[in-house]
Amino acid sequence: EADIYQTPRYLVIGTGKKITLECSQTMGHDKMYWYQQDPGMELHLIHYSYGVNSTEKGDLSSESTVSRIRTEHFPLTLESARPSHTSQYLCASSEYPGTGRISGELFFGEGSRLTVL
Amino acid sequence: DAKTTQPPSMDCAEGRAANLPCNHSTISGNEYVYWYRQIHSQGPQYIIHGLKNNETNEMASLIITEDRKSSTLILPHATLRDTAVYYCIVTQGTIQGAQKLVFGQGTRLTINP
Repeated sequence: EADIYQTPRYLVIGTGKKITLECSQTMGHDKMYWYQQDPGMELHLIHYSYGVNSTEKGDLSSESTVSRIRTEHFPLTLESARPSHTSQYLCASSEYPGTGRISGELFFGEGSRLTVL
Repeated sequence: DAKTTQPPSMDCAEGRAANLPCNHSTISGNEYVYWYRQIHSQGPQYIIHGLKNNETNEMASLIITEDRKSSTLILPHATLRDTAVYYCIVTQGTIQGAQKLVFGQGTRLTINP
C-alpha cells in the first residue's frame, strides 16, 4: 500500500475563493508530482518537484502554484478559483533510484475532486 | 518520448487471460515501456515496466517484441476487479530522477462475468 494522502477528497466552492489541496507522503520520497485530469480525459502533469525548495512547471500550463518546504508535503494552491479549474487533481511521488538506474514506480494518491461553481 | 498506440477498449471474460497490446514503433534504445492502470478515476497504479526482456511480477507479465516496436501486457487470470483503463507509456525515464510520465488515452478493459 502506498502511503500518500490527499485532502480534501471532494471540494465544492464558489468562484473567487482561495483553495489549497494538500498532499502528504510518508515514504521519504524526494520526487513529487501533481497531475490534473478532467472526467474521462487524459492525465496531464502540471507541477513536479525534485526535492525540498524545488518546484517545476509540468507539460500543461496551470494557474495553480505549489510549494515544497518539507520533503513529505507538496500542497497545491489556487489563489482565485474559477469554474475552469473544476477537475480532479492527483498527487504522486517517486524515489530517486540511484545513479545510472531508471526510476521505478510512481505512487499516486486517491485524488482531490474540485468543483468550482 | 516515443508515442504509443493502444486500442480504445477491450473486453475479456472473467478467469481468462487479458492481453493488452501497445504499439511504440518509434521507441529509442534507451526508452522503457511502463504500464499503469486506473480504476474508476482513482489514482493510477503502477503495474510493470521493462526495457527489452520480458518481465513478470505478481500482477502481470510484459512481453516486448524483439524489435521493441510493440509490447503486450498479460493479466493471466482476469477478475472483475481488473476492469480499468490501462496505460502504456514509453519514456526515457528520468531527469535527475524525476519520472515525468505522459499518460495517453489508454485502453478501457472491461472484464465480463
